[in-house]
Amino acid sequence: DIQMTQSPSSLSASVGDSVTISCRASQSIGSYLNWYQQEPGKAPKLLIYAASHLQRGVPSRFSGSGSGTDFTLTIGSLQPEDLGTYYCHQSYTTPATFGQGTRLEIK
Amino acid sequence: QVQLQESGPGLVKPSQTLALTCTVSGDSISSGTYYWTWIRQYPGKGLEWIGYIYYSGNTFYNPSLKSRVTISVGTSNNQISLNLGSVTAADTAVYYCARGIRLYGIDVWGQGTTVTVSS
Repeated sequence: DIQMTQSPSSLSASVGDSVTISCRASQSIGSYLNWYQQEPGKAPKLLIYAASHLQRGVPSRFSGSGSGTDFTLTIGSLQPEDLGTYYCHQSYTTPATFGQGTRLEIK
Repeated sequence: QVQLQESGPGLVKPSQTLALTCTVSGDSISSGTYYWTWIRQYPGKGLEWIGYIYYSGNTFYNPSLKSRVTISVGTSNNQISLNLGSVTAADTAVYYCARGIRLYGIDVWGQGTTVTVSS
């Protein structure tokens, strides 16, 4: 299985800050990397697909980059509703696998 | 608007079979565009892909569960079923059904249903 490793595991930031979350795959996955936000008590929500493409309806302060094994999710100008846990997900091969999550707290 | 709704028992006894149904509205399983997948989330929050089914009926399962899992089209053509046999407490989780495309991620999720395995 392809292992997905996120860092950091948690972070705390203030409204208006820029935040970066990293995801590393144990082998190359091209651009088959997706990012999700999970708010407490809810299902995950797709933010970014194919490494850098913004899902329809997602605010433009979210952006993704990377290819191969190293990927980044950036949230520019953090908003209160951005709290939750963020997961990366590789859909390059089966079994699909997820990162362990990055918990984002708003100060 | 596409919606997915999971249903099934919230409590299953050890060694029995967990059986869940996902009802899809606003899209057709047979449309040929998407795969329909089951994912579970453990109490510690980790996400595990269980498997998926294509409109063609082809299925792909996580090797860690392959001997125990079956995903199929339900009795209603717009339903997906999950059967997981010989369950143990380790199968306690929130189970999600979802829709996806390989390059475009998993774009629609059900609200999830909590399943507890306990005697």
